[in-house]
Amino acid sequence: EDQVTQSPEALRLQEGESSSLNCSYTVSGLRGLFWYRQDPGKGPEFLFTLYSAGEEKEKERLKATLTKKESFLHITAPKPEDSATYLCAVLNSGGYQKVTFGTGTKLQVIP
Amino acid sequence: GAGVSQSPSNKVTEKGKDVELRCDPISGHTALYWYRQSLGQGLEFLIYFQGNSAPDKSGLPSDRFSAERTGGSVSTLTIQRTQQEDSAVYLCASSLGGSNQPQHFGDGTRLSIL
Repeated sequence: EDQVTQSPEALRLQEGESSSLNCSYTVSGLRGLFWYRQDPGKGPEFLFTLYSAGEEKEKERLKATLTKKESFLHITAPKPEDSATYLCAVLNSGGYQKVTFGTGTKLQVIP
Repeated sequence: GAGVSQSPSNKVTEKGKDVELRCDPISGHTALYWYRQSLGQGLEFLIYFQGNSAPDKSGLPSDRFSAERTGGSVSTLTIQRTQQEDSAVYLCASSLGGSNQPQHFGDGTRLSIL
């Protein structure tokens, strides 16, 4: 069974203090790893898809990287508006589009 | 363009009643998914549709849960004889259906069972 573990569960940063969120996974053949952002009372918002080890994607202050066992979401000089829960999910190489989600990292950026 | 639309946004009902939750996916998206999110928990996969068929129903928690999709578009998730443990946010997502396509989510229905 596919498993996704995210750490830390919660992270509090000062504005401008860079850090990284971790997503460790075990999957029977990775077809894609997804990062989402979720604000309170909202559905998850798609950020990135990574397909193979060594791949990197960037968007504003966020950069996602992928190895064979884990993915990192690096946040550079965060702002208060980056506060949200960040979710990681994996899609395996099975026949169905079943995505397994982690429980997320709740990020708070303090002005 | 319009995103995934879910209704109602909130539903409060008494234990034992039936409820229907609706999802209107992004136009042209052939794949549709239902998830359940409980406080402090990750997203729990419930069911996946490709077109009108559901090749994977493995996530439905019990036979009180059922879902259908008609016309390759709107989907309804029905919970019969609701129990207090059914209280959660029910999220719907859609995607283009091809391999590796990301899912786009609605804002969910918050279901509370009294």
